Amino acid sequence: DVKVTQSSRYLVKRTGEKVFLECVQDMDHENMFWYRQDPGLGLRLIYFSYDVKMKEKGDIPEGYSVSREKKERFSLILESASTNQTSMYLCASSFMSGVQPQHFGDGTRLSIL
Amino acid sequence: AQRVTQPEKLLSVFKGAPVELKCNYSYSGSPELFWYVQYSRQRLQLLLRHISRESIKGFTADLNKGETSFHLKKPFAQEEDSAMYYCALSVGSFNKFYFGSGTKLNVKP
Repeated sequence: DVKVTQSSRYLVKRTGEKVFLECVQDMDHENMFWYRQDPGLGLRLIYFSYDVKMKEKGDIPEGYSVSREKKERFSLILESASTNQTSMYLCASSFMSGVQPQHFGDGTRLSIL
Repeated sequence: AQRVTQPEKLLSVFKGAPVELKCNYSYSGSPELFWYVQYSRQRLQLLLRHISRESIKGFTADLNKGETSFHLKKPFAQEEDSAMYYCALSVGSFNKFYFGSGTKLNVKP
């Protein structure tokens, strides 16, 4: 069974802090994704990566960056956290070839005070 | 532009009633569509995908290219079906997904 693990379930940070959200998958998936989930807006793609050190912007990349130094790990970075980044963050992974389902982690509920 | 629309934020039905969760998409290519479900306090999980044409937990979904729809149906709703449901469209070679805004299904006893 695919396992996508996000390092924290709940996180509270202050405005201006640099915040790291970590995600690890154990299925050797090429693709990894970061979404934020907000009521009424569904899931919106922040960034994705299709290989080590490769990254692509999603629909709402502003205020975020990512890092993928190893195939199994994909980090989301909030350079200077702001209150409008309070949200649920979901990590997902998938194989690249063909049309593949994405597999999700449990999510990190991040509150910026 | 690719877009997925789920017009209902909330759908309430009684146990045993039929349920249909609507999903419409906008895409110029050949669509690859999925339904995901998120039960309370659980992770988002795949419910079904249109190319497999299988029925999961009694749910089915048919792709209608003429109406650009992929509605999710179940003939007899159960209380355990209460959850958030998301329709998703897969686009491009990187398997990028576009999600709808979700429909919360509430099945009343």
